[in-house]
Amino acid sequence: DVKVTQSSRYLVKRTGEKVFLECVQDMDHENMFWYRQDPGLGLRLIYFSYDVKMKEKGDIPEGYSVSREKKERFSLILESASTNQTSMYLCASSLNGGQGNEKLFFGSGTQLSVL
Amino acid sequence: AQTVTQSQPEMSVQEAETVTLSCTYDTSESDYYLFWYKQPPSRQMILVIRQEAYKQQNATENRFSVNFQKAAKSFSLKISDSQLGDAAMYFCAYTTDKLIFGTGTRLQVFP
Repeated sequence: DVKVTQSSRYLVKRTGEKVFLECVQDMDHENMFWYRQDPGLGLRLIYFSYDVKMKEKGDIPEGYSVSREKKERFSLILESASTNQTSMYLCASSLNGGQGNEKLFFGSGTQLSVL
Repeated sequence: AQTVTQSQPEMSVQEAETVTLSCTYDTSESDYYLFWYKQPPSRQMILVIRQEAYKQQNATENRFSVNFQKAAKSFSLKISDSQLGDAAMYFCAYTTDKLIFGTGTRLQVFP
């Protein structure tokens, strides 16, 4: 089975801190995604990547950046954390072909609290 | 704009009974895919079932089946013989090139 591992299950940071959320997948998937999950809003796409060193903005990229230096690792960066970035962050990967008809494999999420 | 609507924030069902979760979507596309994902308390989302819009036959996976009505843009999930392990958040999702999720339905299963 594909394993998507997010480095932290819970994270507490202070306003203005730079925050790194790490995600690693072990099945040589081309595509990786970062979502944000909020109650009543479902999942919203922040950024995605179809290849190493490649990134594309999703629906809510403001305040975030990403890095994909290696195929298996996709990092989400909050340059200066704010309280409205308190949320559950989910990483996902898929084999190839974009999000069209591909099954996504998800990590277990990082619950980030910004105080 | 393409949207996915899940009008039931919470549902409950007794063990061994059947429950249906509703989902509607809005699109002008004719070719697309629809999904139901399950998010248990462990938080790791897993794919439950997938439907291709050009296929008229409703998808089935063991106790999970869908009622796909393309003209009505409706994609409901039926869970038969409900089990305690079915308790989770269920998300409906639509895609042509980008996956769009609904807001989720929390399903409780009572013994």
